[in-house]
Amino acid sequence: NAGVTQTPKFRVLKTGQSMTLLCAQDMNHEYMYWYRQDPGMGLRLIHYSVGEGTTAKGEVPDGYNVSRLKKQNFLLGLESAAPSQTSVYFCASSLKETQYFGPGTRLLVL
Amino acid sequence: RKEVEQDPGPFNVPEGATVAFNCTYSNSASQSFFWYRQDCRKEPKLLMSVYSSGNEDGRFTAQLNRASQYISLLIRDSKLSDSATYLCVVIHYSGGGADGLTFGKGTHLIIQP
Repeated sequence: NAGVTQTPKFRVLKTGQSMTLLCAQDMNHEYMYWYRQDPGMGLRLIHYSVGEGTTAKGEVPDGYNVSRLKKQNFLLGLESAAPSQTSVYFCASSLKETQYFGPGTRLLVL
Repeated sequence: RKEVEQDPGPFNVPEGATVAFNCTYSNSASQSFFWYRQDCRKEPKLLMSVYSSGNEDGRFTAQLNRASQYISLLIRDSKLSDSATYLCVVIHYSGGGADGLTFGKGTHLIIQP
């Protein structure tokens, strides 16, 4: 049981480049979430999903898109990366209230 | 007033001491409360849920004060391994989904030998 996994672990992008972060969970959880964590800002919710095929905006959705084509996967896309998107990105999943987090993706946008 | 507030610290505490910190929340309709622990450069992990009657898990005690709208975490006989950032989570249900879940920014705890 791997829990929640994220790929890649680390990435460097140039401004304007695009990329997709992948989150996978093997716990059959309905809910999945994408957060970003910045110093002094805490965890902020970007987008979330309450089930396969559904997504919703969180607190800071601008500049990001998501897709949940399969129950076990939740993808976060950056169409045109900006330096302000330099951050640590955490994915999480939950059955009810307890969230299980992936190990994070460290993204640097130059 | 921010939804969920925590003293960022750091709290520097000698090994073996007792330490406590609080988390205040603004939405009186909040229904569920949790403490998570996050080690440096790692993901947050659930430490414990917080129940109205208070609950204890080994050296850790969590309490909820609905009247004053805060939750607390007390750590007894602190260990070096307790050094981490402690995040509080407050949930209020507003129609489903994750829109009612808020993380505090965390309290940084350093246990000193």
